[in-house]
Amino acid sequence: AQSVSQHNHHVILSEAASLELGCNYSYGGTVNLFWYVQYPGQHLQLLLKYFSGDPLVKGIKGFEAEFIKSKFSFNLRKPSVQWSDTAEYFCAVTASGGYQKVTFGTGTKLQVIP
Amino acid sequence: GAVVSQHPSRVICKSGTSVKIECRSLDFQATTMFWYRQFPKQSLMLMATSNEGSKATYEQGVEKDKFLINHASLTLSTLTVTSAHPEDSSFYICSARGLAGNTGELFFGEGSRLTVL
Repeated sequence: AQSVSQHNHHVILSEAASLELGCNYSYGGTVNLFWYVQYPGQHLQLLLKYFSGDPLVKGIKGFEAEFIKSKFSFNLRKPSVQWSDTAEYFCAVTASGGYQKVTFGTGTKLQVIP
Repeated sequence: GAVVSQHPSRVICKSGTSVKIECRSLDFQATTMFWYRQFPKQSLMLMATSNEGSKATYEQGVEKDKFLINHASLTLSTLTVTSAHPEDSSFYICSARGLAGNTGELFFGEGSRLTVL
């Protein structure tokens, strides 16, 4: 079975600072990887996903993530955060192929200070 | 993106009663829906996978007689918490995948906060 760990539970940054949120997964086979975001009072929504091909994936709102297979990692990055990026971020993994269940990490709460 | 709606968003009930939460895919047909439970400061815990027209598949440790899941149509799945107790108080979230193959993306409902007194 797959598992996901997110190392940072709560991150506080000033506006314009760079962001990197760690995500490591555990699974022996081929995976699909996701980052979801939950803004205060809103649904979870997809930020970006990796299925195959270029390991550097670009998502919405200037976010990107890099899949490093050798490190089982899929870290989320943004060069310059904004106050509106304040939210909770969840990394998720699913085994490739078929209708596989998605396993989520514990989430990282990002607080951006104006 | 596709829209998934949950109802009710908040429910308060007395201990021993049953509560039903609905999850609807509004603009697409969902062959598979997932029910998650989220505890404060914790991740989403998958409770069960619900496939239209068949019995739900429950995760280990989830009582299927307590958390009844029905996926009677391609746009509706329901979760019924039977004989609810205070420890069942939690945030329940459903998500759905569409018919168009395994793109992997899940669309989430807004969640339902259950409080059992």
